[in-house]
Amino acid sequence: AQKVTQAQTEISVVEKEDVTLDCVYETRDTTYYLFWYKQPPSGELVFLIRRNSFDEQNEISGRYSWNFQKSTSSFNFTITASQVVDSAVYFCALSEAKNNDMRFGAGTRLTVKP
Amino acid sequence: DSGVTQTPKHLITATGQRVTLRCSPRSGDLSVYWYQQSLDQGLQFLIQYYNGEERAKGNILERFSAQQFPDLHSELNLSSLELGDSALYFCASSVGENYGYTFGSGTRLTVV
Repeated sequence: AQKVTQAQTEISVVEKEDVTLDCVYETRDTTYYLFWYKQPPSGELVFLIRRNSFDEQNEISGRYSWNFQKSTSSFNFTITASQVVDSAVYFCALSEAKNNDMRFGAGTRLTVKP
Repeated sequence: DSGVTQTPKHLITATGQRVTLRCSPRSGDLSVYWYQQSLDQGLQFLIQYYNGEERAKGNILERFSAQQFPDLHSELNLSSLELGDSALYFCASSVGENYGYTFGSGTRLTVV
């Protein structure tokens, strides 16, 4: 079964610092999908990005960027010039094409201090 | 508003009781997923339905059951509740499998 590891339990940074959240995954499937979700203090889970296993292009969306490397089975998430509003728990997740359940990592709690 | 509606938002009940959590997916989404989020277990996949049919099952206890109705709303039934069932239960929907999920705001269940 697929597995997602987010080794960083908690990260604390000061506003305007860059921060990278690590995600390492395991799967035997050649076709799979990787996701990042944000859970702010309000509790909702907000979809950030979806990437399929055949697309290793890095992606940038504003201050957010994602680095997908199949060679190291990693899908890391970087926030540039962090802001207090970025404080949340961030989850990395993996879904295999032949399974229909998305498995989440344990999450990384990011605190951005003013 | 994500478009996925979950009711109720909060539920407090006693051990041994039975509760039903309800989810209305985002308009146009055929897949519904249920997840349990607890402090010690993280986000655990419970079950998925696609257009009324059960499609995948995760770590769902036998005391729990779910279904998706013809209008695509879904219900998660939890019975013989135990203290350890206290958690946040999320419903999510997607237009298809392996697409990004849209999550509801969750139902916080407290078993006392």
